[in-house]
Amino acid sequence: AQTVTQSQPEMSVQEAETVTLSCTYDTSESDYYLFWYKQPPSRQMILVIRQEAYKQQNATENRFSVNFQKAAKSFSLKISDSQLGDAAMYFCAYRSPGTSGSRLTFGEGTQLTVNP
Amino acid sequence: KAGVTQTPRYLIKTRGQQVTLSCSPISGHRSVSWYQQTPGQGLQFLFEYFSETQRNKGNFPGRFSGRQFSNSRSEMNVSTLELGDSALYLCASSSGVTNEKLFFGSGTQLSVL
Repeated sequence: AQTVTQSQPEMSVQEAETVTLSCTYDTSESDYYLFWYKQPPSRQMILVIRQEAYKQQNATENRFSVNFQKAAKSFSLKISDSQLGDAAMYFCAYRSPGTSGSRLTFGEGTQLTVNP
Repeated sequence: KAGVTQTPRYLIKTRGQQVTLSCSPISGHRSVSWYQQTPGQGLQFLFEYFSETQRNKGNFPGRFSGRQFSNSRSEMNVSTLELGDSALYLCASSSGVTNEKLFFGSGTQLSVL
């Protein structure tokens, strides 16, 4: 079974600065998908960024980018120019391809605080 | 386009009762999956329904069940509630095409007293 680990329960960053959230995973599969989700106080999980394992290029979405190291099974999220609205719980998630449908395996989460 | 709608937002029940939660997916989406979120266990997959059929199931006891209707709306039922069932229950919808994005609702917060 796959596991996802986020070793930073809490992180803080100053507004406009850059912060990196860590995630490692364990799998025997060669093809899979990795995600970062954001959960603000409204509780709704919002997709931040997605990475396909077969793609070597790191995914980027505006101020959000990932550092995907397949051999090391590492998938970190970098938030540039942090904004107050980025404050939330961030979850790293893994999904197998194909027949696993919509089954995601989540990490424990990292609570991000953005200081003005 | 309306997002994923979960009702009710909050629910209080007592041990031994049963509860039904509802999820209306995004229009056109055929897949609905359910997750349980607790401080101790984190986010755990319950099950997924696609075109009224359960196509994936997590490691939860049989007290947890679900169904999906022809309009893709889904319900989740928990029978004989236990204190440990207190959690945020999240629903997610997708088109059902392999590896499509999931869109989550805001969840139902269930408290079991």
